[in-house]
Amino acid sequence: GQQLNQSPQSMFIQEGEDVSMNCTSSSIFNTWLWYKQDPGEGPVLLIALYKAGELTSNGRLTAQFGITRKDSFLNISASIPSDVGIYFCAGLNNDMRFGAGTRLTVKP
Amino acid sequence: NAGVMQNPRHLVRRRGQEARLRCSPMKGHSHVYWYRQLPEEGLKFMVYLQKENIIDESGMPKERFSAEFPKEGPSILRIQQVVRGDSAAYFCASSPRLKIQETQYFGPGTRLLVL
Repeated sequence: GQQLNQSPQSMFIQEGEDVSMNCTSSSIFNTWLWYKQDPGEGPVLLIALYKAGELTSNGRLTAQFGITRKDSFLNISASIPSDVGIYFCAGLNNDMRFGAGTRLTVKP
Repeated sequence: NAGVMQNPRHLVRRRGQEARLRCSPMKGHSHVYWYRQLPEEGLKFMVYLQKENIIDESGMPKERFSAEFPKEGPSILRIQQVVRGDSAAYFCASSPRLKIQETQYFGPGTRLLVL
């Protein structure tokens, strides 16, 4: 099946630091998506990427759709305490597959 | 413009009872997806529905689980004779009509606890 490998599993960083996380797959996806999930809530869409090589920003967040269409990266610059949460990548073809998530902790 | 709505937010059932989870998609969305999330894991696809049709149920267990999206009213995920292993968060997502690959928007989830 279409397995997504997301890393790192968890990160503990200081407020103000930059964060990078990535997602890789053995399969090609037509769309890559990044979601954030807060405790007790559903995933909220952060960034959607529709084209190989695409680089898209949303405030302090930047994501890239890998050239091979088998990977994607999410960067968060100048982290703040409210960035805490679980970040999921998702690859979309006819259905959507999720990575296992990156759990981010930001220390003030 | 209300987002995806799910109810109840929390549901407690004893083994053998039935669980009914409801999902109202965003206005203008006619595609509904159900996912299950176990603690510390990502979301696993269960079923994809359009109005009155099941399009893909490849992720849904063959027994005890069923889903519907009637012409009127919310989508329902039904779990009969629940077991402890059914305890999880169940999320519904919706997307606009026409495109299968359209971005999906999620509801807040229903957390099911089976005692």
